[in-house]
Amino acid sequence: GENVEQHPSTLSVQEGDSAVIKCTYSDSASNYFPWYKQELGKGPQLIIDIRSNVGEKKDQRIAVTLNKTAKHFSLHITETQPEDSAVYFCAASMTGANSKLTFGKGITLSVRP
Amino acid sequence: GAVVSQHPSWVICKSGTSVKIECRSLDFQATTMFWYRQFPKQSLMLMATSNEGSKATYEQGVEKDKFLINHASLTLSTLTVTSAHPEDSSFYICSARPGTGVDEQYFGPGTRLTVT
Repeated sequence: GENVEQHPSTLSVQEGDSAVIKCTYSDSASNYFPWYKQELGKGPQLIIDIRSNVGEKKDQRIAVTLNKTAKHFSLHITETQPEDSAVYFCAASMTGANSKLTFGKGITLSVRP
Repeated sequence: GAVVSQHPSWVICKSGTSVKIECRSLDFQATTMFWYRQFPKQSLMLMATSNEGSKATYEQGVEKDKFLINHASLTLSTLTVTSAHPEDSSFYICSARPGTGVDEQYFGPGTRLTVT
């Protein structure tokens, strides 16, 4: 089955700096890669996703890049703000009606004001 | 759009009793819903996948007789924890997929279950 690894487990940045979170996956058949943000006591929120037919996707301060050859994808947050502090999960899955997401372990991002 | 709600947001129950958690898709029809549990500072663990009108598919190691899942309509799925024990205390989160041929999953706010 799929295995998603996420590094590092914690990341602290200064407000205004950029943050990069990297994930690797094992199953070359995976072709959908979402990123979720989870604040304390809340459910995960889908913030951006990418499919295997593109290498990069951007939405305002957030971007995701995908390298299918190397089987890794990364989340880039620019101009970080304190409200970006949360746990971020990457995930991978195949497409299809009953496809299941495999999550990484999560990374705690702290943005220092 | 793509809002998922859960009820209750938290519940405390006594050991041996059963608890039902509801998951609703508010502005879309969800052909597939998923149930996860999450322990503190850990990732999400998929418990089961449910499709409207059919039996849920449980992940390996998840007791189907203990965690009863019903997906009675395109907007409602329920998880019933039967004969709850303290080790069942956890954060239960549902997600919903808005239609077939769609990859995205949208998550509910979660339900904190504490069994005393």
